[in-house]
Amino acid sequence: DIQMTQSPSFLSASVGDRVTINCKASQNINRYLNWYQQKLGEAPKLLIYNANSLQTGIPSRFSGSGSGTDFTLTISSLQPEDVATYFCLQHNSWPRTFGGGTKLELK
Amino acid sequence: QVQLQQSGAELVKPGSSVKISCKASGYTFTSYDMHWIKQQPGNGLEWIGWIYPGNGNTKYNQKFNGKATLTADKSSSTAYMQLSSLTSEDSAVYFCAREERYGRGFAYWGQGTLVTVSS
Repeated sequence: DIQMTQSPSFLSASVGDRVTINCKASQNINRYLNWYQQKLGEAPKLLIYNANSLQTGIPSRFSGSGSGTDFTLTISSLQPEDVATYFCLQHNSWPRTFGGGTKLELK
Repeated sequence: QVQLQQSGAELVKPGSSVKISCKASGYTFTSYDMHWIKQQPGNGLEWIGWIYPGNGNTKYNQKFNGKATLTADKSSSTAYMQLSSLTSEDSAVYFCAREERYGRGFAYWGQGTLVTVSS
């Protein structure tokens, strides 16, 4: 199975900060990487698909980059409503595997 | 609009089985893959498997072979997941999620079903 390692596990930032979350795959997954946001008590929400494509309706402050084994989710200017846990998911091969998550809180 | 409505919370005994449903509406049920995902309290997400309701094809995470069985009823646009031989390790929230074409992610999710395994 492909292992997805997310960093950091926990992140504290201020409103307006630029935030980056990283995801590293244990082998090449091309650009087959999606990012999800999960707020407490809710289902995950798709933010980014195929590494850098913004899902419809998601604010443009969210962006994704990377290919191969290293990927990044960036929030250009953190907003209070962005407090959540963020997960990456590889869909290059079976089984699909998620990163361990990054919990983002406001400082 | 696309909706996935899951069945309610379940409290079940160790060793028993449970069947969770995910009723789809607002789209052609047989045209999209349906995935199932497990989330234990405080933990991350685990992919369980996938079913294509159009022909019933399935694929499972090997970890869940023998544990989860995925089916779909085209007449009611409902996907099901049966979990068997339940233990405390199966206590979790289970989500169904529709995958968009061309690998464009799980854009629609059910609200989740909490399964608690306890005597």
